[in-house]
Amino acid sequence: DQQVKQNSPSLSVQEGRISILNCDYTNSMFDYFLWYKKYPAEGPTFLISISSIKDKNEDGRFTVFLNKSAKHLSLHIVPSQPGDSAVYFCAASEGSNYKLTFGKGTLLTVNP
Amino acid sequence: DTGVSQDPRHKITKRGQNVTFRCDPISEHNRLYWYRQTLGQGPEFLTYFQNEAQLEKSRLLSDRFSAERPKGSFSTLEIQRTEQGDSAMYLCASSLWSSGRAVETQYFGPGTRLLVL
Repeated sequence: DQQVKQNSPSLSVQEGRISILNCDYTNSMFDYFLWYKKYPAEGPTFLISISSIKDKNEDGRFTVFLNKSAKHLSLHIVPSQPGDSAVYFCAASEGSNYKLTFGKGTLLTVNP
Repeated sequence: DTGVSQDPRHKITKRGQNVTFRCDPISEHNRLYWYRQTLGQGPEFLTYFQNEAQLEKSRLLSDRFSAERPKGSFSTLEIQRTEQGDSAMYLCASSLWSSGRAVETQYFGPGTRLLVL
């Protein structure tokens, strides 16, 4: 069963607009969440993370929001740039067991 | 240090052959993870090491798979008697863990893409 779900396989936005990528999880024991970006033929690149004690974390153009009651997190990219076009993976880990559980990814396309 | 490296980047083999992949983590990192990614899926956890000790193995890791990290630095992942279902991207990640850290971030290598014919 999928413990981390990214229900949108793809998303297309215009350059300069906001991109919002969503992620839902079912395991209430998850307490650390990460977003990775992946280009074809490369490994995932770490973007931003959030601990369950927070509800928001910001790093430049990237902001992650966590809603624990809804078991939902989202990644906001503002403003979106063509170089942001990639597959974005949501991942989660539980306590001291740091193995990551990933979603299936969302392909973001930012059009010039 | 430029990050996690993996070798080879690509491997094509015939069914029944053995293959071995190598991962060199970021130098000060004491944890090393192996994941497998198939088409349309996110990476799936296979196993991880803390220094030279293998602490957990996924049920995905059949007895044809073996991983080692003999000196707590680089790691190897061997697949014996490969099957077509083993075709995937094999990803290595490393992290710095200490008991005082609340969280840790894993940094991934470029992966080894395996094709079993």
